[in-house]
Amino acid sequence: GAGVSQSPSNKVTEKGKDVELRCDPISGHTALYWYRQSLGQGLEFLIYFQGNSAPDKSGLPSDRFSAERTGGSVSTLTIQRTQQEDSAVYLCASSSVGGSGLDTQYFGPGTRLTVL
Amino acid sequence: KQEVTQIPAALSVPEGENLVLNCSFTDSAIYNLQWFRQDPGKGLTSLLLIQSSQREQTSGRLNASLDKSSGRSTLYIAASQPGDSATYLCAVKGANSKLTFGKGITLSVRP
Repeated sequence: GAGVSQSPSNKVTEKGKDVELRCDPISGHTALYWYRQSLGQGLEFLIYFQGNSAPDKSGLPSDRFSAERTGGSVSTLTIQRTQQEDSAVYLCASSSVGGSGLDTQYFGPGTRLTVL
Repeated sequence: KQEVTQIPAALSVPEGENLVLNCSFTDSAIYNLQWFRQDPGKGLTSLLLIQSSQREQTSGRLNASLDKSSGRSTLYIAASQPGDSATYLCAVKGANSKLTFGKGITLSVRP
């Protein structure tokens, strides 16, 4: 079956513009995660969804970042008024259970965001 | 706050060598530990997942061990091949569901 897909694969934007990143999880997976991978920072957790609810938003770096998930499936990560420090690869993952479940997270290929 | 450390940051070995990649974590209250592989410009591929109650997992030439009490895991790669060249990431899952990652070890296997 299909894995986790993300779009676009690459996004170049100008400082101050808003961007939307999309994630399509594996069908039937109830848990969805967003991570950010920056040079020198490694992989950082951003937000976790269980169904359409986000019980853990602790990793969102500022109020310019928001995310939603609809229909227990597709998720969109929105970054408003982008800054150069937002440049990174944004990775999405999904898993079948989430919570404290002992399940594997499956990752998408990522969206590479460059803010000029 | 959980911290995951992987040392060294890079490793170069000749083909055929057996090797061990190390991972350490500061908080032993974990649900599981995963080893991932990342190829340049690609996403993450899960290699092995060890539950907190387990000591090791094996898949083909890969064997991962977990010593939760000491906060350590190792990934053993037998008979390394040039195709094993990639970045290997260790991640632990805590009660809040998120994975905390190390910064990875970039492995180069020379033909």
